[in-house]
Amino acid sequence: QKEVEQNSGPLSVPEGAIASLNCTYSDRGSQSFFWYRQYSGKSPELIMFIYSNGDKEDGRFTAQLNKASQYVSLLIRDSQPSDSATYLCAADAGGTSYGKLTFGQGTILTVHP
Amino acid sequence: DGGITQSPKYLFRKEGQNVTLSCEQNLNHDAMYWYRQDPGQGLRLIYYSQIVNDFQKGDIAEGYSVSREKKESFPLTVTSAQKNPTAFYLCASRRGLNEQFFGPGTRLTVL
Repeated sequence: QKEVEQNSGPLSVPEGAIASLNCTYSDRGSQSFFWYRQYSGKSPELIMFIYSNGDKEDGRFTAQLNKASQYVSLLIRDSQPSDSATYLCAADAGGTSYGKLTFGQGTILTVHP
Repeated sequence: DGGITQSPKYLFRKEGQNVTLSCEQNLNHDAMYWYRQDPGQGLRLIYYSQIVNDFQKGDIAEGYSVSREKKESFPLTVTSAQKNPTAFYLCASRRGLNEQFFGPGTRLTVL
């Protein structure tokens, strides 16, 4: 069974700090990785995706990918209370499973003032 | 205004009833997906469709059925064979290789 694992948390950080969210995946064929933010009672919102090893930055968000270690992370700089949400990591199914994503169970992030 | 719409927002089902959840998109995306989310859980794939008139089972297709007669529409029927249907149902469509975007969801409760 191809899996994506996340620490369920909750992760609590003070306002202004860096929040670090981690994810591991089991399918070495996975090529693309996604981070979604989900507010309570709402649907997931795509915030970052990464295909290549290394870092990708978008505003306060940085996604990091290490394919050798099968590890993906999301850093949120200058965390704000509005960042409080569940963050879902997803990996493509790889191989011929074109377009299918496998999701982790999510990490709950709380940013306290 | 492009996007994905789902209706209804809330749905209540009696035991033994079939219910159909609507999903419509005007993004001109070819591929569409249905997921189920249970409390504190990630998303599990029910069915997906890469193109009109074609669809494939996902990881938890038992008790569900779909159709894809139009590019814009991908309705999901929850049949009476689905023994534990209470969940948050999410429809998504895909842009490019893998970027999936979600509709607002339908919350289904069995009475």
